[in-house]
Amino acid sequence: DAKTTQPPSMDCAEGRAANLPCNHSTISGNEYVYWYRQIHSQGPQYIIHGLKNNETNEMASLIITEDRKSSTLILPHATLRDTAVYYCIVRASGQAGTALIFGKGTTLSVSS
Amino acid sequence: DARVTQTPRHKVTEMGQEVTMRCQPILGHNTVFWYRQTMMQGLELLAYFRNRAPLDDSGMPKDRFSAEMPDATLATLKIQPSEPRDSAVYFCASGLDGGALETQYFGPGTRLLVL
Repeated sequence: DAKTTQPPSMDCAEGRAANLPCNHSTISGNEYVYWYRQIHSQGPQYIIHGLKNNETNEMASLIITEDRKSSTLILPHATLRDTAVYYCIVRASGQAGTALIFGKGTTLSVSS
Repeated sequence: DARVTQTPRHKVTEMGQEVTMRCQPILGHNTVFWYRQTMMQGLELLAYFRNRAPLDDSGMPKDRFSAEMPDATLATLKIQPSEPRDSAVYFCASGLDGGALETQYFGPGTRLLVL
């Protein structure tokens, strides 16, 4: 079973920041938080991951609370192409060869 | 731009027929995963391999599904005989065990419809 809880859907206006929350209250010390997204009819796409420090890459920023029980994925300037299902997943470090367990994710709708 | 490729992209078949789906992982990747996606169940893991050896196939119906890696550049998923309830999108993903990002890269999927 997925170890994370996400809202089923969110809306965002184009050009605004999209903040997607994720609860992972049972996360273990060696577990990373991963974010993937799935645009309609495509395979899931890796976005970002982190352990306890905030992370940023060309796609998004990941903010992890100090107690690590929750995190927020931030798309700083959402575009229509960011409309997708966003999955928050926890997985232990050193288990690169283990499968991802997907929950239901958050459907983000970006509108103009 | 390295990508996971899957063939066929679409398949329509009749109940009882054999279906074979193929996946070419990214060159150099040593882990391969098969997932199935339906509206009702979402994304489910079927099987995965590391260095061509099957690690877990507990998600697969054993009586009709089989997954193999004949070589490092090819993974196959077979359904025999197929049933309407097998209609789904089947995704293959590959990764590099111990790689810095520890991420999985997904293919475009095979859309299977069993009539």
